[in-house]
Amino acid sequence: SAVISQKPSRDICQRGTSLTIQCQVDSQVTMMFWYRQQPGQSLTLIATANQGSEATYESGFVIDKFPISRPNLTFSTLTVSNMSPEDSSIYLCSVEDIRRAGYTFGSGTRLTVV
Amino acid sequence: SQQGEEDPQALSIQEGENATMNCSYKTSINNLQWYRQNSGRGLVHLILIRSNEREKHSGRLRVTLDTSKKSSSLLITASRAADTASYFCATEAAGNKLTFGGGTRVLVKP
Repeated sequence: SAVISQKPSRDICQRGTSLTIQCQVDSQVTMMFWYRQQPGQSLTLIATANQGSEATYESGFVIDKFPISRPNLTFSTLTVSNMSPEDSSIYLCSVEDIRRAGYTFGSGTRLTVV
Repeated sequence: SQQGEEDPQALSIQEGENATMNCSYKTSINNLQWYRQNSGRGLVHLILIRSNEREKHSGRLRVTLDTSKKSSSLLITASRAADTASYFCATEAAGNKLTFGGGTRVLVKP
């Protein structure tokens, strides 16, 4: 299965600033997925990132708040913009296993906004 | 919104005992998957069961799927302290979208 390198692993940020999270995959993949996991909660899909087109956002998530880049088939970034304490969460990227037998996740970015 | 409900929300067992957790979902699915998450880190894929399958095994894991009841169960046999983690079910329908359940926190006491 694919190996994903996600960074940073954690960060503490001031409100009003932005943080960009990076995910690098060791193989070419068509779609990359970004999730948010709020404290003590399950995962919620933010958006799906396709190379060469705009990301598709889920209900409740907008591009101005969570801009996504997908410059090539192995890399994507998610930016959390104009952060507030409510953005404190774990953010994870994911790709589908090439055998279509599940998904591989990055190790997550634990974000704390103060 | 979450597709699945999991129960129990938390489970505490002794090492060597079996752990069972359940997942219910609401709409038709292509498959159902189980993941483990240690200490708020990344998720590890455990097992995938397709909608036309009823039972699947992988090592000490046994998964069942009842599409008529829209439910699944995950059984971990002979649990170990290293099994302490949160376990999530996730359903996949058309469009490569995973929808996660609320998770079960499992504590295996040595």
